[in-house]
Amino acid sequence: DTAVSQTPKYLVTQMGNDKSIKCEQNLGHDTMYWYKQDSKKFLKIMFSYNNKELIINETVPNRFSPKSPDKAHLNLHINSLELGDSAVYFCASSQERLSNSPLHFGNGTRLTVT
Amino acid sequence: GNSVTQMEGPVTLSEEAFLTINCTYTATGYPSLFWYVQYPGEGLQLLLKATKADDKGSNKGFEATYRKETTSFHLEKGSVQVSDSAVYFCALSDRAAAGNKLTFGGGTRVLVKP
Repeated sequence: DTAVSQTPKYLVTQMGNDKSIKCEQNLGHDTMYWYKQDSKKFLKIMFSYNNKELIINETVPNRFSPKSPDKAHLNLHINSLELGDSAVYFCASSQERLSNSPLHFGNGTRLTVT
Repeated sequence: GNSVTQMEGPVTLSEEAFLTINCTYTATGYPSLFWYVQYPGEGLQLLLKATKADDKGSNKGFEATYRKETTSFHLEKGSVQVSDSAVYFCALSDRAAAGNKLTFGGGTRVLVKP
């Protein structure tokens, strides 16, 4: 009965490859997010979707493309992977897009690019 | 722009000691403030929040008060346990920004020894 689940948990791949990370939430939330956590634990938002509509798109290389087939799913596809993409990627959801609505995070996907 | 600064760790304490983690923020608007906790191998979980000046958030023995005059939101716990060992993140969400975009501090690792 995991609230926000993302797969895979670990992803090891070579430079230049294309990979996807999937995220699903069963909380009935309208808004979903992707955050990137670097090796120093610093967290930065990448994207946010509300009811399948993109509402936040930070300065992220266009090799990263989010896709939301429905409001319970938000996947992240990465083309032409680079060493600097190595990080932990967290999916999250919230009930509303309002600023005091807390986020519920998945357990992360650790991406290692070699 | 918005930013959150919190004390660097690691903070090492003995069980039953008093814990304080300092957090200060800079925001263009009137933000909501949060503390999130990340246990090893897991995603972030909301610990507590405050949405207006002088509000006190509290949960699991942790407290933090929204101080507008000092732009601070320090986290405190009177008697820590080994199970409190984790990384703690202070964050703000700007009501004026589109969507629910959290700006995180760099995280503070806390290690409680028996």
